[in-house]
Amino acid sequence: DQQVKQNSPSLSVQEGRISILNCDYTNSMFDYFLWYKKYPAEGPTFLISISSIKDKNEDGRFTVFLNKSAKHLSLHIVPSQPGDSAVYFCAASARGGSEKLVFGKGTKLTVNP
Amino acid sequence: DTEVTQTPKHLVMGMTNKKSLKCEQHMGHRAMYWYKQKAKKPPELMFVYSYEKLSINESVPSRFSPECPNSSLLNLHLHALQPEDSALYLCASSQDYFGGRLFFGPGTRLTVL
Repeated sequence: DQQVKQNSPSLSVQEGRISILNCDYTNSMFDYFLWYKKYPAEGPTFLISISSIKDKNEDGRFTVFLNKSAKHLSLHIVPSQPGDSAVYFCAASARGGSEKLVFGKGTKLTVNP
Repeated sequence: DTEVTQTPKHLVMGMTNKKSLKCEQHMGHRAMYWYKQKAKKPPELMFVYSYEKLSINESVPSRFSPECPNSSLLNLHLHALQPEDSALYLCASSQDYFGGRLFFGPGTRLTVL
């Protein structure tokens, strides 16, 4: 049973436009969510996180939105740059992040110049 | 130093070989992890060490044997692997046991012939 779902395996966006990556979860105990970015042949790198006490967290060009009632979060990248091309993993944890991280399958973002 | 290092970067081994993967971090993190990642799949948790003690073994076959010699080092000993064990092996660390953000190493690309 997949508790964290990223239903779009890939997304293609023009440079300068907004990229929106989506993630849904089923476990209502999840209260801490993270996004990781992964380039080929590298380990995932942390991008941004959000706790369930918030509905939005911003860091530069990256914003994560959390809709608890819909069990949905999204990552917005504005403006998108070619260097943002990577696989983005959504991850979730319970108990404020002290439980095992559950990863989604990832979305491959391609930003075209 | 916010880096997790892994050696070797690439490893090719036969099914009768014995080899070891090594991981090191100097961030003072007390939890260290081994993940396995296959192409187009999310990272899959294998083992967790917390304060140098094995906390989680996700029912990993005994041909994989983890070791945590001290708080900065994590090894994964490999013996009698199968071709289906070929994958990217990622080491990660965090401040505390699943304490929010994980820092991942670049991984070891393992090929079993």
